[in-house]
Amino acid sequence: KQEVTQIPAALSVPEGENLVLNCSFTDSAIYNLQWFRQDPGKGLTSLLLIQSSQREQTSGRLNASLDKSSGRSTLYIAASQPGDSATYLCAVRESSNTGKLIFGQGTTLQVKP
Amino acid sequence: DVKVTQSSRYLVKRTGEKVFLECVQDMDHENMFWYRQDPGLGLRLIYFSYDVKMKEKGDIPEGYSVSREKKERFSLILESASTNQTSMYLCASGPRTQYFGPGTRLLVL
Repeated sequence: KQEVTQIPAALSVPEGENLVLNCSFTDSAIYNLQWFRQDPGKGLTSLLLIQSSQREQTSGRLNASLDKSSGRSTLYIAASQPGDSATYLCAVRESSNTGKLIFGQGTTLQVKP
Repeated sequence: DVKVTQSSRYLVKRTGEKVFLECVQDMDHENMFWYRQDPGLGLRLIYFSYDVKMKEKGDIPEGYSVSREKKERFSLILESASTNQTSMYLCASGPRTQYFGPGTRLLVL
């Protein structure tokens, strides 16, 4: 059974720092991996999606990488800002048919001014 | 922009009541999903649907049912609400990227 783990559970950094969030999964047979952001009490916003055949995706200050063979993905945030404070979740999709996602527990990020 | 809306942001119900949570998407997506999110447990899939009148159980379907009569609307039904169904309920839709609604925070007293 696929399991997704995110470490650390919480992270606090000063503004301007570059940081890396980690996601690992137990079964490398995935269809894609997606990173989401969730603000307190709100729904999830998709940040980046990496297909299983891709190594990385970039959007602005965000860069997500995928190493299927080792079961790992990282989300790199450059020049962090207080507005980046949120919970970041990764999710893997195993099949192209159903679209079912398996989520990690998330990393709660606080960026201090 | 894709829009996924949920009928209520906050809901308070009594034990034993029948509860309907509605989700509507405007992008003609075939796949729609219902999750619940609890502290320490993360997001867990309750039910999903990949077409009208089609449904599949997720990881925690007990105590829930769903209805998909039209492509744009996916309803989650709590047949007899219980206190352990107090949670944040999130609806999503999408073929590749999943787009989420704002969530419904349900309190069952």
